[in-house]
Amino acid sequence: SYELTQPPSVSVSPGQTASITCSGDKLGDRYACWYQQKPGQSPVLVIYQDTKRPSGIPERFSGSNSGNTATLTISGTQAMDEADYYCQAWDSSTGVFGGGTKLTVL
Amino acid sequence: QVQLVQSGAEVKKPGASVKVSCKASGYTFTNYDINWVRQATGQGLEWMGWMNPNSGDTGYAQKFQGRVTMTRNTSISTAYMELSSLRSEDTAVYYCARGMGVFDYWGQGTLVTVSS
Repeated sequence: SYELTQPPSVSVSPGQTASITCSGDKLGDRYACWYQQKPGQSPVLVIYQDTKRPSGIPERFSGSNSGNTATLTISGTQAMDEADYYCQAWDSSTGVFGGGTKLTVL
Repeated sequence: QVQLVQSGAEVKKPGASVKVSCKASGYTFTNYDINWVRQATGQGLEWMGWMNPNSGDTGYAQKFQGRVTMTRNTSISTAYMELSSLRSEDTAVYYCARGMGVFDYWGQGTLVTVSS
């Protein structure tokens, strides 16, 4: 079965750039999206179709996807961005999530 | 505004079944798939399957084949997910999420606890 691999944790200082990776076999050949989840809340879509931001998502969130790796980049990271982030893609009509990355802003 | 409102928390015994509902509002229910995703405490997101509310077509993750059934009642814009033969490992928060390829709106989640 298809697997997506994320680092368990990433740390960033306020105002700096955070990058969270998601690796999967030929991931660049399919669309990736990213979800943000804060404690006790439902996930929120922050990036879809590799690079697109839904309405209401700040411009500091951006995405890319090439080769075997998709990347979520948060520029000028703020304390409110501290959360778990999950990548997601599709494989033969089956949804697949990465294991999640805890972003700590310190 | 788009809303997905799920039914309340459930406590079930091992071997029982649970049926979670997801009532949609603010959009045309039959125009978007409903997916179900679960999350055990402290764990990641796990996709369970999808349903097309217009046709009733479904697709389930292999892990849940034979145990999960996704249905809908279009007259009340509500989707259902039923999971049978429950075991302790099924204790989790279950989410419905709207989308066809992308999950753009999520329900608030339903905690299902399986305990003897």
